[in-house]
Amino acid sequence: DAGVIQSPRHEVTEMGQEVTLRCKPISGHDYLFWYRQTMMRGLELLIYFNNNVPIDDSGMPEDRFSAKMPNASFSTLKIQPSEPRDSAVYFCASSFRAISYEQYFGPGTRLTVT
Amino acid sequence: LAKTTQPISMDSYEGQEVNITCSHNNIATNDYITWYQQFPSQGPRFIIQGYKTKVTNEVASLFIPADRKSSTLSLPRVSLSDTAVYYCLVDGGGYNKLIFGAGTRLAVHP
Repeated sequence: DAGVIQSPRHEVTEMGQEVTLRCKPISGHDYLFWYRQTMMRGLELLIYFNNNVPIDDSGMPEDRFSAKMPNASFSTLKIQPSEPRDSAVYFCASSFRAISYEQYFGPGTRLTVT
Repeated sequence: LAKTTQPISMDSYEGQEVNITCSHNNIATNDYITWYQQFPSQGPRFIIQGYKTKVTNEVASLFIPADRKSSTLSLPRVSLSDTAVYYCLVDGGGYNKLIFGAGTRLAVHP
């Protein structure tokens, strides 16, 4: 398996623009997680899905952020409109329910909002 | 979820054994202790997990005393490539939500 795949790897956009980050989890994993990492706040869990259903979105910072998982092999994290304070590295991770502690992280998307 | 406390940073030299201790005074009965490693510009990677006593794999060992209020990650004979941030997490086994703290930044010198 290729592991968790994220795209794009880097994104530079202007304030006010819509940003869509994409993730393909490892096949067979039924949990998917979105994290954000900054120097100031460290690694934060934004939202996670189980069998394509959002379970906990308490970490989503505000209504500008939304996440979807239309099927078992694809998820998106959308920011609309984007702001400079959204600049961070966004990670997607997946895990198999029987091994809940072992999450597999993707390479991340480095987002810069100017 | 139990809170963890670990040193902000550590320094070591190639070939030495490194021990990183994490305290989790409020650990619950069903909590497991998990360690992750993160290299620059990469996502975190699972290293090891344990519940009590000692666990060893090809990468590290995890020592957990009987009261489980702390744990120690042991990296034998570190190399420059072990320079990374190491996170100690405590989660309620079966509950998938992992909370990452600040981690310990390990620097291995030649």
